[in-house]
Amino acid sequence: DTAVSQTPKYLVTQMGNDKSIKCEQNLGHDTMYWYKQDSKKFLKIMFSYNNKELIINETVPNRFSPKSPDKAHLNLHINSLELGDSAVYFCASSPLGSNSPLHFGNGTRLTVT
Amino acid sequence: LAKTTQPISMDSYEGQEVNITCSHNNIATNDYITWYQQFPSQGPRFIIQGYKTKVTNEVASLFIPADRKSSTLSLPRVSLSDTAVYYCLVGDIPGTYKYIFGTGTRLKVLA
Repeated sequence: DTAVSQTPKYLVTQMGNDKSIKCEQNLGHDTMYWYKQDSKKFLKIMFSYNNKELIINETVPNRFSPKSPDKAHLNLHINSLELGDSAVYFCASSPLGSNSPLHFGNGTRLTVT
Repeated sequence: LAKTTQPISMDSYEGQEVNITCSHNNIATNDYITWYQQFPSQGPRFIIQGYKTKVTNEVASLFIPADRKSSTLSLPRVSLSDTAVYYCLVGDIPGTYKYIFGTGTRLKVLA
């Protein structure tokens, strides 16, 4: 059973296009996140949602719009893709409360050409 | 939010014990220390978490001194499959669920 699943695993697209990445967790967690890992392998938090409500928007361009239809899903929509958006995007979830361990998906490798 | 400092990389040989130390001088009273492991092409995976003294599970041990300003992840008898990046995290900004990953330690296990 996959706890945190993301689709697609790979995404290759051209500059200017709009794309979405889907994320679902079956752990019953209240909090979900999107992280971006660049070519230097730095993991940077982008968004966190708690029970469908946005908690953190970490200075991400407004071309990125997360959407949480329910607490088990957090999708990421990206408009007008740019070369610099190429990275691996990880979805994660955690139980409510500070210090709760994060459970990550296996990532979506986005390549913008 | 307590910042963490770890060695950028380490090499070890199969069968050896590996200790990775993380410094977190500004750790807050309520902060726990959490370690993650990341293999290539996978998301980080939770390994172990502790608050003080020693915690052990089937994967690793975590040693935390009394002042809690550092912690050491201990991997017993590593194998080639333990080659990965290991991240140390300390707490989050209360109420924000903002967990910040540092640069991590790239462990390479050699045959």
